[in-house]
Amino acid sequence: EAQVTQNPRYLITVTGKKLTVTCSQNMNHEYMSWYRQDPGLGLRQIYYSMNVEVTDKGDVPEGYKVSRKEKRNFPLILESPSPNQTSLYFCASSWQGQTNEKLFFGSGTQLSVL
Amino acid sequence: GDSVTQMEGPVTLSEEAFLTINCTYTATGYPSLFWYVQYPGEGLQLLLKATKADDKGSNKGFEATYRKETTSFHLEKGSVQVSDSAVYFCALKDQGGSEKLVFGKGTKLTVNP
Repeated sequence: EAQVTQNPRYLITVTGKKLTVTCSQNMNHEYMSWYRQDPGLGLRQIYYSMNVEVTDKGDVPEGYKVSRKEKRNFPLILESPSPNQTSLYFCASSWQGQTNEKLFFGSGTQLSVL
Repeated sequence: GDSVTQMEGPVTLSEEAFLTINCTYTATGYPSLFWYVQYPGEGLQLLLKATKADDKGSNKGFEATYRKETTSFHLEKGSVQVSDSAVYFCALKDQGGSEKLVFGKGTKLTVNP
C-alpha cells in the first residue's frame, strides 16, 4: 500500500531534550516536505527536499533540522525543543516536476514540549 | 508571494444542506488549484484539483471551478452528510517549477444529523 509513515504518533517531551520525528515513504517520491499545523495558522512549511542530499528551508525553519540521506526517509530533528514548537506535524511527499501532482500526507505527529 | 484566502470557519450545517466554502488566491503565474480534506485524527488527503482556467474538479459529490477572472476556487456540495465533517484546505501550486504547495488556513465543517 502506498503510504507515508510518520513516527511517533504522539510525543511529550521537555524543553531542550533533542528529538527526532521519522518519516518514510514507499512510493519512490523525489519530493518530501515537513509542515506544522497550528490553530488559526493552517499549515506552514518547515523544510523540504527535492531529492537525496538536497534540502531547503520553508517558511518556518527556525529550530528545526532535516536530512535526506536516502530517498525514502526524511527525518525532522529538533535539537533543543522549546514550548513554541508544540504543534501537529505532518510529513508529505510527491513526485517532482508536475504541477498537478498531489501531495501524500502522513497521519501526523502531535508534539508537546513542556 | 503566492497566497490563499479561505472563508473563516467554523461552518455548521444540517445534513442535506448546501455547502459553499469560499477560496480566493493570489499568484503571479497560472497555478494549479487543489482542495484537501482532513478528517479527524488523520492527515490531509486530496479531494479534487483543477489545473487551468474553467476546469472543474469533482469528487465525492464535491465540485470546484477554477475561475481565473475572479481568482477563485470555491468548494460546493449540494447535499452534505455527517461523514463530510472535516477540515477543508484550499491550496495552490505555482507552475514556476517549485513543488511548494501554499495552503489556506482551513475551514472546519461540522454536519449535524
